Amino acid sequence: DTEVTQTPKHLVMGMTNKKSLKCEQHMGHRAMYWYKQKAKKPPELMFVYSYEKLSINESVPSRFSPECPNSSLLNLHLHALQPEDSALYLCASSRWQGETQYFGPGTRLLVL
Amino acid sequence: DAKTTQPPSMDCAEGRAANLPCNHSTISGNEYVYWYRQIHSQGPQYIIHGLKNNETNEMASLIITEDRKSSTLILPHATLRDTAVYYCIVRVAVRAYSGAGSYQLTFGKGTKLSVIP
Repeated sequence: DTEVTQTPKHLVMGMTNKKSLKCEQHMGHRAMYWYKQKAKKPPELMFVYSYEKLSINESVPSRFSPECPNSSLLNLHLHALQPEDSALYLCASSRWQGETQYFGPGTRLLVL
Repeated sequence: DAKTTQPPSMDCAEGRAANLPCNHSTISGNEYVYWYRQIHSQGPQYIIHGLKNNETNEMASLIITEDRKSSTLILPHATLRDTAVYYCIVRVAVRAYSGAGSYQLTFGKGTKLSVIP
């Protein structure tokens, strides 16, 4: 089983809202990732967690706040987003950081 | 920056083999080549990866040249469901916050493969 689940599938939010994206895997993977993908562009890495600790932050603005409460769960908290933050947000996991990554279906976010 | 170069688009007739090329002329000796694909609006799907030797699995074959400067992904019998963007990625070494060495995937622009009936 190589399933990564993400909720919600779609999200519409205003620029003053606070919302969270959730990602879950039950494969025993110890590394989890957030990517952002704009239309017709490749995915871009945002954050990497390894053993529930933040390992890499690709200079992401502070309005995006990741959290890894346990080894199966990864959240992305959103606050005061801009319309240009509208994108597909992808979560992935791997056995260890750097190993083959398995992606979830993504959350399509629209910021109004 | 991505270390790979791929043609932006390709067509393939249904039932024929699809051969997707990738150049990675600056690849280092311990860097793996990964292939993923992304069907419209879905998450990327892992296909295959390799270091030096050719690799085959139930989805595809990966042929890496002896000098490792290029590779080809082969889908032996393309179907309409194989229409997708195919990404060739070189897994590069990075430094984590802890100072430990690790690896990272950086997606390039990919090849949009259209399988034609």
